[in-house]
Amino acid sequence: AQSVTQLGSHVSVSEGALVLLRCNYSSSVPPYLFWYVQYPNQGLQLLLKYTSAATLVKGINGFEAEFKKSETSFHLTKPSAHMSDAAEYFCAVVKGSSNTGKLIFGQGTTLQVKP
Amino acid sequence: DAGVIQSPRHEVTEMGQEVTLRCKPISGHNSLFWYRQTMMRGLELLIYFNNNVPIDDSGMPEDRFSAKMPNASFSTLKIQPSEPRDSAVYFCASSYSPGQGFKYEQYFGPGTRLTVT
Repeated sequence: AQSVTQLGSHVSVSEGALVLLRCNYSSSVPPYLFWYVQYPNQGLQLLLKYTSAATLVKGINGFEAEFKKSETSFHLTKPSAHMSDAAEYFCAVVKGSSNTGKLIFGQGTTLQVKP
Repeated sequence: DAGVIQSPRHEVTEMGQEVTLRCKPISGHNSLFWYRQTMMRGLELLIYFNNNVPIDDSGMPEDRFSAKMPNASFSTLKIQPSEPRDSAVYFCASSYSPGQGFKYEQYFGPGTRLTVT
């Protein structure tokens, strides 16, 4: 069975600092992995996705994530945080077959960016 | 191009009343998803339609919940009767999926915040 764990429900960084949001997955098959961002009072927006192509995936707004099979991780990073990055971030994995499975979300990590 | 449209954005109702949430997916998308978000349980998939057909409704909490998709441009989620524990934000999402499944990007609506008193 596939599931996803986000380590740390709240992360606080200073503006300009590195952003690192952690996600570990469990999957018995090659996974499809996603990062979504949710700004206050809005729906979720796709940041990036891994679908078994390149292990380093680049997304929008300067974010990227690296798929590491040996560590079962898909951590999200951004070299320099901006105030506008403050939001909630969700890691998600397709549970089951990529054609019939469900998208399972982690519990989310709230990113605070301090001036 | 308009994104996923949900209405109403906010709904306050009394326990026992019927609640209907509405969703218009992005034109051309053939998959539609209803999610519920709460602090306690996070984001949960309630039901998934592909080409207007319900594919998986195993996430629907109980018989009080029902969802329909009469055509490619409209879906409803109904709760009857509503209970305080149904209070949550309900999201509709759509995607274009050449096959069934979840490996394709989902576009989320702004959500409906439901409060049942």
